[in-house]
Amino acid sequence: GAVVSQHPSWVICKSGTSVKIECRSLDFQATTMFWYRQFPKQSLMLMATSNEGSKATYEQGVEKDKFLINHASLTLSTLTVTSAHPEDSSFYICSARDSTGSQPQHFGDGTRLSIL
Amino acid sequence: AQSVSQHNHHVILSEAASLELGCNYSYGGTVNLFWYVQYPGQHLQLLLKYFSGDPLVKGIKGFEAEFIKSKFSFNLRKPSVQWSDTAEYFCAVTPFTGGGNKLTFGTGTQLKVEL
Repeated sequence: GAVVSQHPSWVICKSGTSVKIECRSLDFQATTMFWYRQFPKQSLMLMATSNEGSKATYEQGVEKDKFLINHASLTLSTLTVTSAHPEDSSFYICSARDSTGSQPQHFGDGTRLSIL
Repeated sequence: AQSVSQHNHHVILSEAASLELGCNYSYGGTVNLFWYVQYPGQHLQLLLKYFSGDPLVKGIKGFEAEFIKSKFSFNLRKPSVQWSDTAEYFCAVTPFTGGGNKLTFGTGTQLKVEL
């Protein structure tokens, strides 16, 4: 079945650094990928929609300069949390849309980001 | 914009008990509905989906859900749960047309099945 790989699975870094998270569709091409953020005991909140070859579409309240998204190929999207602070600590999940399949999105395993 | 409400945040059942998890959505148009499951330490997996047709849909691992349009509900059911069903369950909705396949999730229900 369709597989989405997310890397790294866990990252701990100091406040002020930038962190890049990768999301890859391993066996299908994904023209659209999605980035979610999940707080403890809460639902997944869509942050942005990433479209291959064009600018990402951000949801209301999400700072595009803080969360940089790049979708340079049909199998890779990256999320960079710039100048991360402790309040950015969260669980980030990506998903990829397989336009040929019947499921709307396939999900990665998520990245646990901890900012000290 | 659409929204999804899951009424039960934590459910504890004994093995072989029946399960029903509530899900209600709010949206002015036609929707596609989904239930996802997240086992401990794993990614979200699709349990079942409703696009159109028979409102009673069957998914993997013996789960089923019934779409009741008049109640804006899509409750998940399983006649007899197993210990391995311990997981978090998310209901989700996306507009039938447009919306770019953006999923809106409920807050999730943590299910614990005891032996």
